[in-house]
Amino acid sequence: EPEVTQTPSHQVTQMGQEVILRCVPISNHLYFYWYRQILGQKVEFLVSFYNNEISEKSEIFDDQFSVERPDGSNFTLKIRSTKLEDSAMYFCASSEALGGGNTEAFFGQGTRLTVV
Amino acid sequence: SQQGEEDPQALSIQEGENATMNCSYKTSINNLQWYRQNSGRGLVHLILIRSNEREKHSGRLRVTLDTSKKSSSLLITASRAADTASYFCATTPQGGSEKLVFGKGTKLTVNP
Repeated sequence: EPEVTQTPSHQVTQMGQEVILRCVPISNHLYFYWYRQILGQKVEFLVSFYNNEISEKSEIFDDQFSVERPDGSNFTLKIRSTKLEDSAMYFCASSEALGGGNTEAFFGQGTRLTVV
Repeated sequence: SQQGEEDPQALSIQEGENATMNCSYKTSINNLQWYRQNSGRGLVHLILIRSNEREKHSGRLRVTLDTSKKSSSLLITASRAADTASYFCATTPQGGSEKLVFGKGTKLTVNP
């Protein structure tokens, strides 16, 4: 069964360093998302991406964050200068259509980012 | 409370019993989805119910949606120890937003 894959599964980085989290969405999906879950808290929307551009972003997604689809299969989230509060599980998701289009969003296993 | 609040926060039952989890939300929605998360792992999509649907089944899962009360329930029948996980509802608000708004989840423990 097709699935969203994320690498690495766990990343430890020093405060102030840049990190890139990688995702391979399901191949025929057109819409891509990043969410995060701080330990013990809700899953929060960060950004959605369609047709090679950001279509929606939350207030969490500030200038420290960027997303890119560098080729036909990968979708990346970059955090330029990590802070302690960026420590969280980051989930990539993809869907055939927008959420409003009533299609399911499928999530990857997540990357646990620990900023020390 | 915020969009997508589940209750109870934690539920402990014996294998074979049914588990019912509820979700309430604040704004009008296009659809509501239920996800499962094993401890520290990814989110697994369980079922999607559209705003014009009232009930949906998938295997041992039964989901209801009451848009007048802005609430949904997830019933797992004949529970198994392997159903132990956290269960989240996630709504897609009306109005063109693409994001899923998640609740805090219900932590279900099924005791063998």
